[in-house]
Amino acid sequence: NAGVTQTPKFRILKIGQSMTLQCTQDMNHNYMYWYRQDPGMGLKLIYYSVGAGITDKGEVPNGYNVSRSTTEDFPLRLELAAPSQTSVYFCASSYHTEAGDTQYFGPGTRLTVL
Amino acid sequence: GNSVTQMEGPVTLSEEAFLTINCTYTATGYPSLFWYVQYPGEGLQLLLKATKADDKGSNKGFEATYRKETTSFHLEKGSVQVSDSAVYFCALRRLQGAQKLVFGQGTRLTINP
Repeated sequence: NAGVTQTPKFRILKIGQSMTLQCTQDMNHNYMYWYRQDPGMGLKLIYYSVGAGITDKGEVPNGYNVSRSTTEDFPLRLELAAPSQTSVYFCASSYHTEAGDTQYFGPGTRLTVL
Repeated sequence: GNSVTQMEGPVTLSEEAFLTINCTYTATGYPSLFWYVQYPGEGLQLLLKATKADDKGSNKGFEATYRKETTSFHLEKGSVQVSDSAVYFCALRRLQGAQKLVFGQGTRLTINP
């Protein structure tokens, strides 16, 4: 059982380049999330999805896009990379019920924009 | 709005010392409260949680009690080990809507042998 997997682990981008961070979960979770973690800070929610075909903005969505064509995959797209997007990105998933849920996190992608 | 405030780090202790990491929150309604732990180079893992007032979450020797009257969820452990060195995050989640987590800024804990 792999849980939540993310690729790549590390990436360096130049300003203006684009890239996609991949996230896959094999737990059949309905909810998926993307967070960014800046040095010395807690995690900030970028986008989330409550199921295939449904996405919504979190606290800090500017400069990012997402899609959720399948239950398993939730890629995060950076179209025009900027130095402010240098951060560690975490994907998470959960199985939502009325009683609540527990989010499971991937190992993270460390992105540097120069 | 919803927010979480944790004690400033870093915190450095000797092995077998008593640990407290303070966490207070501001929220409308009755949120669920969590402690997550992040070991070096890894993602976050759920350490413990509490879903209603006076609940006590516990795991791996760590405990935290949901105190509605003081809006707090302090993390404690009676005797820390070197392997407890990590960053600890307090978080809340409202039960309405999309179950979004709001995190504190994290507290880095280092345990010396």
